[in-house]
Amino acid sequence: DVVMTQSPLSLPVTLGQPASISCRSSQSLVSSDGNTYLNWFQQRPGQSPRRLIYKVSSRDSGVPDRFSGSGSGTDFTLKISRVEAEDVGVYYCMQGTHWPLTFGGGTKVEIK
Amino acid sequence: QVPLVESGGSVVQPGGSLGLSCAASSFTFITNDMHWVRQAPGKGLEWVAFIRYDGNNKYYTDSVKGRFTISRDNSKNTLHLQMNSLRPDDTAVYYCAKGSTTTIDSWGQGTLVTVSS
Repeated sequence: DVVMTQSPLSLPVTLGQPASISCRSSQSLVSSDGNTYLNWFQQRPGQSPRRLIYKVSSRDSGVPDRFSGSGSGTDFTLKISRVEAEDVGVYYCMQGTHWPLTFGGGTKVEIK
Repeated sequence: QVPLVESGGSVVQPGGSLGLSCAASSFTFITNDMHWVRQAPGKGLEWVAFIRYDGNNKYYTDSVKGRFTISRDNSKNTLHLQMNSLRPDDTAVYYCAKGSTTTIDSWGQGTLVTVSS
């Protein structure tokens, strides 16, 4: 199985400051069709997860443009340009290139 | 998010069985692939099972193979997960989710399964 490793585990951030979450995969996520199926999800406290980003950098409808995804191969990053209070929660990466689908362990974003 | 409403979560003894259901609405269920994903208390997300839109392809995570069965009734817009030989480490919130073979784009609110004597 592809192992997804996120860092850091916990990310205290000052409101209005940027935040960055790393996600690394144990194998390349480049698919045979040429796409890279790396997704990012946000799970606010007490809520279900919500997809933010798919195929590395495509933002879902309704997701603020302060969220951006980047990366290639085995190394990916989710960036929040200016953290707001509503961004508190746990963020997960998930690869969809190889079966079984696998998630990273999560990064908890909290306000300092 | 599209409405996905899970039901069936309960407390069950180790070795017991339980069936979960997920009612889908506001989208064309018959053309969409579906997943089950679980989250143990205080833990991260774990993908459990997948079924293609037509029910012809099914995939499972290794830890549930032979014990869990995913199925769907496209005439009733309903997804199912039959869970047998349940173990304490199956205790989790189970989410029904819509997506494809490469992603998950919508999640239900989840239903709690507790395996305990």
